[in-house]
Amino acid sequence: NAGVTQTPKFRILKIGQSMTLQCTQDMNHNYMYWYRQDPGMGLKLIYYSVGAGITDKGEVPNGYNVSRSTTEDFPLRLELAAPSQTSVYFCASSYKVPDTQYFGPGTRLTVL
Amino acid sequence: AQSVTQLGSHVSVSEGALVLLRCNYSSSVPPYLFWYVQYPNQGLQLLLKYTSAATLVKGINGFEAEFKKSETSFHLTKPSAHMSDAAEYFCAVSLFSGSARQLTFGSGTQLTVLP
Repeated sequence: NAGVTQTPKFRILKIGQSMTLQCTQDMNHNYMYWYRQDPGMGLKLIYYSVGAGITDKGEVPNGYNVSRSTTEDFPLRLELAAPSQTSVYFCASSYKVPDTQYFGPGTRLTVL
Repeated sequence: AQSVTQLGSHVSVSEGALVLLRCNYSSSVPPYLFWYVQYPNQGLQLLLKYTSAATLVKGINGFEAEFKKSETSFHLTKPSAHMSDAAEYFCAVSLFSGSARQLTFGSGTQLTVLP
């Protein structure tokens, strides 16, 4: 049981480039989340999903897009990367709400 | 709107001393409260959670927290700090938004354990 996995672990992007952060969970959780973590700011919710085909915006969705075609996968798309998107990104999942969220190891993204 | 305040962005204790990390919340409805720990270069993992059952909640690694409604607090304690407790700790409160409850995180407290 791998839990929540994220790829890549690290990435450097140039301004204006695009990329997709991958997230997969093998716990059959309905709920999945994307957060960004900036120093001294805690975690901010970008997008979340309550099941395949259903997504919704969180607190800081601008500049990001998501899709959820399967229960297991919840990719996060960055279009036209900007330096303000330099951050550590965490994917998480939970079986129900409110309940414990299980986090992946994170993706450290730098936009130069 | 729900919010979480963690008092003290950095806390240092000596090995063997009491650990006390403070968390206050605001919520218009009975909250669910969580403490997560993050070790360097890792994701967050759950220490303990309060879900309206017993007000004193015991978690992993000897940590516990007490829900005090009158003080709107959920402070994290451990009687005797160990070097391995050095990490960042996040308090979180449930937030109902749309069809799913979401977690609102505090800004975190970095715990340093001195030998």
